[in-house]
Amino acid sequence: QSVLTQPPSASGTPGQTVTISCSGSSSNIGIKNVHWYQQVPGTAPKLLIYSTNKWPSGVPDRFSGSKSGTSASLAISGLQPEDEADYYCVAWDDSLSGWVFGGGTKVTVL
Amino acid sequence: EVQLLQSGGTLVQPGGSLRLSCAASGFTFGAYAMNWVRQAPGKGLEWVSAITGASASIYYTHSVKGRFTISRDNSMSTLYLHMNSLRAEDTAVYYCVKEGGDYGDHPFDNWGQGTLVTVSS
Repeated sequence: QSVLTQPPSASGTPGQTVTISCSGSSSNIGIKNVHWYQQVPGTAPKLLIYSTNKWPSGVPDRFSGSKSGTSASLAISGLQPEDEADYYCVAWDDSLSGWVFGGGTKVTVL
Repeated sequence: EVQLLQSGGTLVQPGGSLRLSCAASGFTFGAYAMNWVRQAPGKGLEWVSAITGASASIYYTHSVKGRFTISRDNSMSTLYLHMNSLRAEDTAVYYCVKEGGDYGDHPFDNWGQGTLVTVSS
């Protein structure tokens, strides 16, 4: 069982907005930055959002991140077929002295 | 361009040992923390270990403490993971991962291609 909790799946039709939640605690998300990764099966993960709401170069602003208390969210607006992938949140945990990942959310474009 | 070229993954028997390597290029290796992250077949990502730029701080996930050792050779720009007493549950693709800084919760900004470790008799 993952320290950070994500829904296992989410879906939407092209153009819709999909939101993925990531629930943690006061020792991780509550006090640390949250980062989000996109992984297409068979490939290495790619940084999507860092420090809760910042975009690496090349990532479209259709992807956005936010945080409130001990939970974070990733929103994908204007959903496109190429957004079909697995999405992971991660944060440093001060109590565990290590990085903790969410279990991952598989996004399906219907 | 940052490159992380991994090697060392193979089939190993339970109880065996293995060393993974990750040769880095395209950045000042010693200025960045490095990590190993693994992914069991069909499962999610799991952080394994981290080491700061000068090897001053080292961290492990609970399940590998006492069995795995992370190290780095900054003169060779190479990261290592020494794995002992391997178990079936260690079977996974192992990724070498660069952080965006040294100390602090910087994101994982570059990933290696991954190398498969299979623990089976």
